[in-house]
Amino acid sequence: EVQLVESGGGLVQPGGSLRLSCAASGFIFSNYVMNWVRQAPGKGLEWISYISSGTSTIYYADSVKGRFTISRDNAKNSLYLEMNSLRDEDTAVYFCARRGEFLLRHQYYFGMDVWGQGTTVTVSS
Amino acid sequence: EIVLSQSPGTLSLSPGERVTLSCRASQSVSSNYLAWYQQKPGQAPRLLIYGASSRAPGIPDRFSGSGSGTDFTLTISRLEPEDFAVYYCQQSGTSPPWTFGQGTKVELK
Repeated sequence: EVQLVESGGGLVQPGGSLRLSCAASGFIFSNYVMNWVRQAPGKGLEWISYISSGTSTIYYADSVKGRFTISRDNAKNSLYLEMNSLRDEDTAVYFCARRGEFLLRHQYYFGMDVWGQGTTVTVSS
Repeated sequence: EIVLSQSPGTLSLSPGERVTLSCRASQSVSSNYLAWYQQKPGQAPRLLIYGASSRAPGIPDRFSGSGSGTDFTLTISRLEPEDFAVYYCQQSGTSPPWTFGQGTKVELK
């Protein structure tokens, strides 16, 4: 079964740090671009980070740039998000998501086709 | 940054009705990079449509997507009880950030 399982969430004080993990199984992890997406309580979805299959390309949303670091270990089929200088507004459910690639009419199309169940990060004093 | 605006914010409907959800982009989005997701309370999002109009594997054919440029639509031909949820459009163009719309909630009337 194709699966992503996040872990590492919890309660942390403002200014603190946390490391999230995402364990992949059921597919060739090293072949896929991966993303982190978060959802604040009662709010919509926010893309926050992207890492290419070979780690050569990394992007961040402005809201987390300079504070969060995405990484992956293809040998361990794992994706990570190191979060530093956490703020109240970082409180959210954090999802890891695989970028699916669909070949259609000789072109590639994209969508986040596999998601983890999410891990909750609460930043509060 | 490409801003996606979804309308309406909430739709109150009955099973069996036809649903049309709108997603408007602040600048042109390549159809290759427009997707729709469904999210139910307490669950992760589920990919419904990629490439603006292609159903993801396992998605029932009552879901369809259309549009190009700045205007995209998700249609549910006949609402089933399990379709009551929040729907998001998302663009993942050639450069980040890859933004989501604010969502449309389809609720039971």
